[in-house]
Amino acid sequence: GAVVSQHPSWVICKSGTSVKIECRSLDFQATTMFWYRQFPKQSLMLMATSNEGSKATYEQGVEKDKFLINHASLTLSTLTVTSAHPEDSSFYICSAATTGLAGGTDTQYFGPGTRLTVL
Amino acid sequence: GESVGLHLPTLSVQEGDNSIINCAYSNSASDYFIWYKQESGKGPQFIIDIRSNMDKRQGQRVTVLLNKTVKHLSLQIAATQPGDSAVYFCAEIIYGQNFVFGPGTRLSVLP
Repeated sequence: GAVVSQHPSWVICKSGTSVKIECRSLDFQATTMFWYRQFPKQSLMLMATSNEGSKATYEQGVEKDKFLINHASLTLSTLTVTSAHPEDSSFYICSAATTGLAGGTDTQYFGPGTRLTVL
Repeated sequence: GESVGLHLPTLSVQEGDNSIINCAYSNSASDYFIWYKQESGKGPQFIIDIRSNMDKRQGQRVTVLLNKTVKHLSLQIAATQPGDSAVYFCAEIIYGQNFVFGPGTRLSVLP
């Protein structure tokens, strides 16, 4: 259980184009989805937190007009990198949080990641 | 919460030996901890978790130890195998708030 998928797994695009990445929780309903960015040999950097039906909460320094997040349902969130530039090339990972056992603490399950290469 | 780290520390172990990966966490109010494994080019994979009311939890070939006094978490992997080679992250969670990830440790299993 608790499977999260991402699509596409790898995308190469030209500078100036927009790219949409989908994140789906396949066998559970996620109350919250998170989007992370990861540079080579570095830890995960949280970009934004998204709750279904409401606006995403962006971390400091993350441009919300650049990284558009839509959370249409309890099983789907999308990240759109608008007007992508080479410096946006990175590994983008989503996670979906479900309510855990007694105590209500959420557990995050991660997608496989999407590698974005902007030429 | 976010965590950014440069130059991941590396742990090299011989195949068949036990591995111990350490993590220091920052917030004494953290009440839940998770270890994740991330293989190259893939997303993090949940390994094992532990709540703050416990000091040890065992899984299949893995054991997590929690020392709240010194805010230290460790992951022990028994009989390390080549497939265990990956980057391992700890995460500390405060109820209802974002996760904070450690910088990660790269485990290399030598033949």
